Amino acid sequence: QVQLVESGGGVVQPGRSLRLSCAASGFTFSNYGMHWVRQAPGKGLEWVALISYDGSNKYYTDSVRGRFTISRDNSKNTLYLQMNSLRAEDTAVYYCAKDTAPYCSSTSCYGVLDYWGQGTLVTVSS
Amino acid sequence: EIVLTQSPATLSLSPGERATLSCRASQSVSSYLAWYQQKPGQAPRLLIYDASDRATGIPARFSGSGSGTDFTLTISSLEPEDFAVYYCQQRTNWPWTFGQGTKVEIK
Repeated sequence: QVQLVESGGGVVQPGRSLRLSCAASGFTFSNYGMHWVRQAPGKGLEWVALISYDGSNKYYTDSVRGRFTISRDNSKNTLYLQMNSLRAEDTAVYYCAKDTAPYCSSTSCYGVLDYWGQGTLVTVSS
Repeated sequence: EIVLTQSPATLSLSPGERATLSCRASQSVSSYLAWYQQKPGQAPRLLIYDASDRATGIPARFSGSGSGTDFTLTISSLEPEDFAVYYCQQRTNWPWTFGQGTKVEIK
């Protein structure tokens, strides 16, 4: 069965960096786009970033563009989110999620998330 | 950015009752709208995609309808496990956005 397991969360000071990982299993990871979605404590869901199946296309929400980098290693079935210059407003549970669309390279076919990890909490505080 | 407004914020119902949740978009999203269910401490679960298609394994009591700017999620007869928060989400324009959620609570 499909499993997504995030790791790397924790408490970090403002301005510092953190790298999240998401280990995937139970499906052909290299065929599917992958996402990071976050949820601030007690709040709703916010899209963070998307990477195409082959890593050639990446998309970010405005609030993280230039600070966060999404990447993937298809040989290790792992998704990453490098978060730099962290701010208090980045505090959230970060979920990785699998897209339903295989072999897609643009936002026009992505956007339905059928499997999610359990999330990892990132707390930015001094 | 497309804004999705969900109503009501909270729906208080009893098991066996029908639940009707609304999602309105600030501009047309065609049929590119999904619904997710989230229970406390858990990740969201995909229920409906492209406005009316049920995801794999989702019971038939969940149905979606609508197009353009107005969408509805209907739960025909609430089961105890259906009490949760429900989010709509559009994938027409990047960045994809979610509604603020509707909490379905036990009356």
